[in-house]
Amino acid sequence: EAGVTQSPTHLIKTRGQQATLRCSPISGHTSVYWYQQALGLGLQFLLWYDEGEERNRGNFPPRFSGRQFPNYSSELNVNALELEDSALYLCASSIRTGGLYGYTFGSGTRLTVV
Amino acid sequence: GEDVEQSLFLSVREGDSSVINCTYTDSSSTYLYWYKQEPGAGLQLLTYIFSNMDMKQDQRLTVLLNKKDKHLSLRIADTQTGDSAIYFCAVYSGNTPLVFGKGTRLSVIA
Repeated sequence: EAGVTQSPTHLIKTRGQQATLRCSPISGHTSVYWYQQALGLGLQFLLWYDEGEERNRGNFPPRFSGRQFPNYSSELNVNALELEDSALYLCASSIRTGGLYGYTFGSGTRLTVV
Repeated sequence: GEDVEQSLFLSVREGDSSVINCTYTDSSSTYLYWYKQEPGAGLQLLTYIFSNMDMKQDQRLTVLLNKKDKHLSLRIADTQTGDSAIYFCAVYSGNTPLVFGKGTRLSVIA
């Protein structure tokens, strides 16, 4: 069974540009979560999608947005990139009641803003 | 909201036991997890414990939960160099996303 896949693995953008990150969950998982892992800050929750709807949002500005497609894959968009957006972006998936089995994580997209 | 705290660094000698500690604030937390992150990789679920349990053992891993003190620990017996990684404590408190600690970087000295 394929795990959670994220693309691209690495992304280099210039300040002010837009970045799009993609995630495919494990088959049968309907929930997708996005976390930002910046140096020294641990994992910060960004967004949670389930059944195509945004269920919860972390304390990030509106230029961080995303969506979930009918096949449950998801994309994260970051507009007007700033240097401090440089981080590892992790996607995770779970069944709807994610608490019971935890989340399965992808390997992440390393975003570098120059 | 939930707050999860961990010490940032731990260094042990190969063959010794490692104990990584975590504290949380929400007493309604139902499931608690330990994840491992190796360099350049995502997070791998190591083990979990339900809030109605005090202890869980899984091969070299022992998880202890003290609900009264809201304290969770992960003990790794016979620590090996391959155990060097960042270990994250995570807490589930209902229909909200998992809340993670900042992670404990475990260094194993040969």
